[in-house]
Amino acid sequence: EVQLVQSRAEVKKPGESLRISCKVSGYSFTSYWITWARQMPGKGLEWMGRIDPSDSYTNYSPSFQGHVTISADKSISTAYLQWSSLKVSDTAMYYCARRWPSGSYDSLDIWGQGTMVTVSP
Amino acid sequence: DIQMTQSPSSLSASVGDRVTITCRASQSIRSYLNWYQQKPGKAPKLLIYAAFSLQSGVPSRFSGSGSGTDFTLTISSLQPEDFATYHCQQSYSSPRTFGQGTKVEIK
Repeated sequence: EVQLVQSRAEVKKPGESLRISCKVSGYSFTSYWITWARQMPGKGLEWMGRIDPSDSYTNYSPSFQGHVTISADKSISTAYLQWSSLKVSDTAMYYCARRWPSGSYDSLDIWGQGTMVTVSP
Repeated sequence: DIQMTQSPSSLSASVGDRVTITCRASQSIRSYLNWYQQKPGKAPKLLIYAAFSLQSGVPSRFSGSGSGTDFTLTISSLQPEDFATYHCQQSYSSPRTFGQGTKVEIK
C-alpha cells in the first residue's frame, strides 16, 4: 500500500527550530516528487514547495522561499520540512503529498495525514 | 503567481441536490486544473485532475469541466458523504496555487 506517514504534532516557542518528516512506503521514493502544503486554522491550502528526491532539486513558492527548507534522505525514503526560527504565524497543519504526473499534467494523488505545528510564546 | 478564486465560499444543500462549484484563474491555465475533497480533520483527497479526468475510485456523480480561466466541479446528486470542503488547484505553473476552498454544508 502506498503511504506517506508524517511525524507527530509539535508545540514550539517562537525562535525555535523544527524539522518535520514524511516517510514514504509502497513505491520507489525517487520516482515521484514530494510537495509540502500549509493549511492555517480554518483556511485554505497553500502550496509551499516541492522536492525531487532523486537529486534533491527543490522549487519553492516565493511566499515561503527563505523561511523554510525542504530536503530528502533517499536512504530512508523520507522528506523533510524545516524551520530555523519559528514564528507564531507558522502555526498550521502541514501536509506532504506525492506529485503524480499524468502526461503533461500533474496532481497530488497521495497525501500524508498531516502534522500540526503550534508555535506559542 | 496565478490566483485561483472559488465561488461560492460556502453553500448549503440537501441530499440529492445538484451542486456546482466554480473556480476561476487569474490567467489562462488551459486544462491544468485539479479538484480535491477535504473532510474535517482529514487530508485532502484527489477527485479530478486535468480539469475533467476522474481519479480512480471516485464516484461518477463527480465531474469537472472548463478550460482557460473558468472551471466547474459538479456533484450530480449530493450524498451524505459529500459534505466537505472542495479545493481547486492549478498545475500550469509554479507555484501550484490553490483556491480558498468551498465548504458544502447540510441544509
